[in-house]
Amino acid sequence: TQLLEQSPQFLSIQEGENLTVYCNSSSVFSSLQWYRQEPGEGPVLLVTVVTGGEVKKLKRLTFQFGDARKDSSLHITAAQPGDTGLYLCAGEGGASGSARQLTFGSGTQLTVLP
Amino acid sequence: EAGVVQSPRYKIIEKKQPVAFWCNPISGHNTLYWYRQNLGQGPELLIRYENEEAVDDSQLPKDRFSAERLKGVDSTLKIQPAELGDSAVYLCASSFRQAGWGTQYFGPGTRLTVL
Repeated sequence: TQLLEQSPQFLSIQEGENLTVYCNSSSVFSSLQWYRQEPGEGPVLLVTVVTGGEVKKLKRLTFQFGDARKDSSLHITAAQPGDTGLYLCAGEGGASGSARQLTFGSGTQLTVLP
Repeated sequence: EAGVVQSPRYKIIEKKQPVAFWCNPISGHNTLYWYRQNLGQGPELLIRYENEEAVDDSQLPKDRFSAERLKGVDSTLKIQPAELGDSAVYLCASSFRQAGWGTQYFGPGTRLTVL
């Protein structure tokens, strides 16, 4: 059972468009991580957010942790084909996890068309 | 520096057959994780090792799955016998953690198909 719900599940956009991916839970997490996974590879960590309300920027990617530390969002500005991949959020701790256990969301498959 | 190495990359077996996966973590990483990722889903933790001790195996189906991490380095995950529902990608990850959280680095995974 996934405690983290990601939306949308699939997203196909044109190069240059903006997009936002959401990660929601009823559980409070001590930290939340975002990963990108490409076909045939393992997930690669993009960012970790720890403090409620925290905003982090990584070039064209903006990550925000909700004030209550239950949800997060990933915003991509001017998407490029190289952004294509499966975006996963993962919470540390939470209702069913130990303090050091990551619980992953089901992922958002992003396709950016040239 | 080499990343997490997993082998084989692909495995196709018939149901009821045994199968084993191997993982070599990043040198110096004391924590090792095995995850299972079903198609269209995020990874789910099967077992976590701190050095050679399994400290979190609550999600490991112990009737058919087993794992070991000899000498606190390499690890193997075994399924015996395999069932159709075991078809998935099995990911290994490692991290170095002292106090608090250590970044997990994932291997490319082993894609298992059970026929």
